[in-house]
Amino acid sequence: DTGVSQDPRHKITKRGQNVTFRCDPISEHNRLYWYRQTLGQGPEFLTYFQNEAQLEKSRLLSDRFSAERPKGSFSTLEIQRTEQGDSAMYLCASSLAKGGYTFGSGTRLTVV
Amino acid sequence: DQQVKQNSPSLSVQEGRISILNCDYTNSMFDYFLWYKKYPAEGPTFLISISSIKDKNEDGRFTVFLNKSAKHLSLHIVPSQPGDSAVYFCAASASNTGTASKLTFGTGTRLQVTL
Repeated sequence: DTGVSQDPRHKITKRGQNVTFRCDPISEHNRLYWYRQTLGQGPEFLTYFQNEAQLEKSRLLSDRFSAERPKGSFSTLEIQRTEQGDSAMYLCASSLAKGGYTFGSGTRLTVV
Repeated sequence: DQQVKQNSPSLSVQEGRISILNCDYTNSMFDYFLWYKKYPAEGPTFLISISSIKDKNEDGRFTVFLNKSAKHLSLHIVPSQPGDSAVYFCAASASNTGTASKLTFGTGTRLQVTL
């Protein structure tokens, strides 16, 4: 297992388009998290899953954002009708129920 | 409302000396604290953590100190090495179980270790 994998690494999209990112966590980790990081800021929590259940969502996660983890393994984060303010690094992390996070390298989204 | 604050955006230290990175928090419900290191184009990497039942935790060259009454923690790196040059994030969790769940991060301190 090579850690948390995110795809794509970079995404440039036009405003108004939909984008989807994928995260493959460490296989034995049952918790999966999405964070967003903008320039000069620390990562901000978006949502997390325990197995396939989405247990918490931040108010940052507007109704244009949706995350799924259908079989308790990989997860997708979709942003509909992208806006320039969505430009950020989207980070995925995974952990066991008791343990620290392992982050992926992130997907950098640029909305033009 | 920034619940976790890192007031020094950058720090420069000579190789071999001690690096001290500071972090303050405002939420008294936080009971688990972590430090992460981040290189450009990579995700944050976990360094060290401390539960609120302790006031110190050591791991090799890294020591984290927690002062609950002051709502302050610090990361000490001794001796500092050029490979330690990175952005360091302080993070906190109100997990009540001593484990990491949802984390609140500070804005980071960029450490540069010079030769």
